[in-house]
Amino acid sequence: DSGVTQTPKHLITATGQRVTLRCSPRSGDLSVYWYQQSLDQGLQFLIQYYNGEERAKGNILERFSAQQFPDLHSELNLSSLELGDSALYFCASSATGANVLTFGAGSRLTVL
Amino acid sequence: AQTVTQSQPEMSVQEAETVTLSCTYDTSESDYYLFWYKQPPSRQMILVIRQEAYKQQNATENRFSVNFQKAAKSFSLKISDSQLGDAAMYFCAYRSPPYNNNDMRFGAGTRLTVKP
Repeated sequence: DSGVTQTPKHLITATGQRVTLRCSPRSGDLSVYWYQQSLDQGLQFLIQYYNGEERAKGNILERFSAQQFPDLHSELNLSSLELGDSALYFCASSATGANVLTFGAGSRLTVL
Repeated sequence: AQTVTQSQPEMSVQEAETVTLSCTYDTSESDYYLFWYKQPPSRQMILVIRQEAYKQQNATENRFSVNFQKAAKSFSLKISDSQLGDAAMYFCAYRSPPYNNNDMRFGAGTRLTVKP
């Protein structure tokens, strides 16, 4: 157990639907990162939050949004889902001053 | 944005032998961090080794070591005495310093097969 908790582990939904993925960082970590990994692909950086504020944004689609709440958990919202959104979505967290990211187990999204 | 390139989509090694995975990156920053992560079939991302750019000494973690060439922007991973459990996808990653986003970007990965 890495200490980063992601829910749900698996999610199957239909095109056009909206889903929310949740991430609880390791205790004390202020930074949260979201990545998307499509089948047999690398990890694509989506977005980063630090203590509730957006810090950096990668290749995140306009249909996707995220936020980090005062208790430091984060949610990634995916709307108007398309088949190509099927992927493994990782959350990672990092402590202030630490250079390592600790990853959760991922949420596998399947869009039918 | 910084880019990370892994030019070997697949590599194969005989058990107990040594293999080297390549990684290059592009950056204008002088302070940064480099990592190798392992992703076994479970898909969990596991940190293998890390290197701070300001350190000239190459990092070592048991059977894993790196060859960090800052001027060449190269960061290769050497696995010695390869074991069956080393079979996985290996991702090279670059992390910007805290004063500049501090985000982490990954290469496309190298799939390592270990033959018994």
